[in-house]
Amino acid sequence: NAGVTQTPKFRVLKTGQSMTLLCAQDMNHEYMYWYRQDPGMGLRLIHYSVGEGTTAKGEVPDGYNVSRLKKQNFLLGLESAAPSQTSVYFCASSSGTSLGETQYFGPGTRLLVL
Amino acid sequence: AQSVSQHNHHVILSEAASLELGCNYSYGGTVNLFWYVQYPGQHLQLLLKYFSGDPLVKGIKGFEAEFIKSKFSFNLRKPSVQWSDTAEYFCAVNPGFQKLVFGTGTRLLVSP
Repeated sequence: NAGVTQTPKFRVLKTGQSMTLLCAQDMNHEYMYWYRQDPGMGLRLIHYSVGEGTTAKGEVPDGYNVSRLKKQNFLLGLESAAPSQTSVYFCASSSGTSLGETQYFGPGTRLLVL
Repeated sequence: AQSVSQHNHHVILSEAASLELGCNYSYGGTVNLFWYVQYPGQHLQLLLKYFSGDPLVKGIKGFEAEFIKSKFSFNLRKPSVQWSDTAEYFCAVNPGFQKLVFGTGTRLLVSP
């Protein structure tokens, strides 16, 4: 099992460019999440999904869109990148069967927006 | 506002010193509590979690945490730290709906 994987690992964008981050999990998890990690702010939830075809907003959704067309994949899109979106992005997944269960994280994507 | 607070942003210890990292949350009702660790250059991994039952929870690598409901706290402890414990530690709360709310993290540096 690879667990949770993310592509790409690192990306540099210019302001206004678009890109898509891909998250994949091979654990048959129902729930998937996108977080951003910024210094001194911990991890903040951007969007999440409770199943294939469903998405919901998290704490900081502005400027991002997501899609969950397949159960194993959760895509995070930036339509027009801004320097404020420079961050490390983490994807996570969980089975969704109970409240106390663990979220499993991917290795992260470092994004620099110039 | 509902939140998770980690009061120590940076902690520096010598090897073999004891560690206690504070975590307080402001959610009412039933919560599930977690400590995650992020070693340099790596992704987050679960250290331990509290779901129900014994409020003293033991995790991996000799870490433990105590849930004190009256104090809304879930402090992380380790009796004797090692250089390999150098990492960033995040407390997180699941207030329901399968969502985690993270604290701002504590960077621990253990000097050999």
